[in-house]
Amino acid sequence: SQQGEEDPQALSIQEGENATMNCSYKTSINNLQWYRQNSGRGLVHLILIRSNEREKHSGRLRVTLDTSKKSSSLLITASRAADTASYFCATVYNFNKFYFGSGTKLNVKP
Amino acid sequence: SQTIHQWPATLVQPVGSPLSLECTVEGTSNPNLYWYRQAAGRGLQLLFYSVGIGQISSEVPQNLSASRPQDRQFILSSKKLLLSDSGFYLCAWSVSPGDQPQHFGDGTRLSIL
Repeated sequence: SQQGEEDPQALSIQEGENATMNCSYKTSINNLQWYRQNSGRGLVHLILIRSNEREKHSGRLRVTLDTSKKSSSLLITASRAADTASYFCATVYNFNKFYFGSGTKLNVKP
Repeated sequence: SQTIHQWPATLVQPVGSPLSLECTVEGTSNPNLYWYRQAAGRGLQLLFYSVGIGQISSEVPQNLSASRPQDRQFILSSKKLLLSDSGFYLCAWSVSPGDQPQHFGDGTRLSIL
């Protein structure tokens, strides 16, 4: 399968703590993207990291990519209750095909 | 600005009935278009994608088909629905080539009775 796999499947933390989610994949990619989904809604793009990049930041988000290990991590710092959602990584192949993992369900307790 | 419309939001259909879900994009030309299905509590399964009018790639053999009759219109269809077709269907678009984010509609929740 070309889908990424997120780990852990579920994560419960207190407000203010950091949340780290991981994504592993199997074949070479063009880029890797992270998305967020609130319950019953469409996905919202968070951040894109290209195969020749190692780290990107956007606000409280930090993404790393290790192509030798075929893995990526998403770090949310100083989490808030509003960050409660499911987070998905998407691996992109042939610049047109997007494959999503099964997601990490994050619960941030106030 | 670009927007994506997907309808209906919810749909309840009997087994064996036909299906037509529509997705339209505004504010961009020649987008890549995608249909995904999401089972409850699971990830997204890529069903179809299209890089242009009449160009459809199918990812998973199934009971569904897709068409792109116009540049910014993507339709998901079935002649006879199965119970296993239940799920949350999401349409998305991206700029071609796919070195850009995908933008999702709000989805259609399809229940088969």
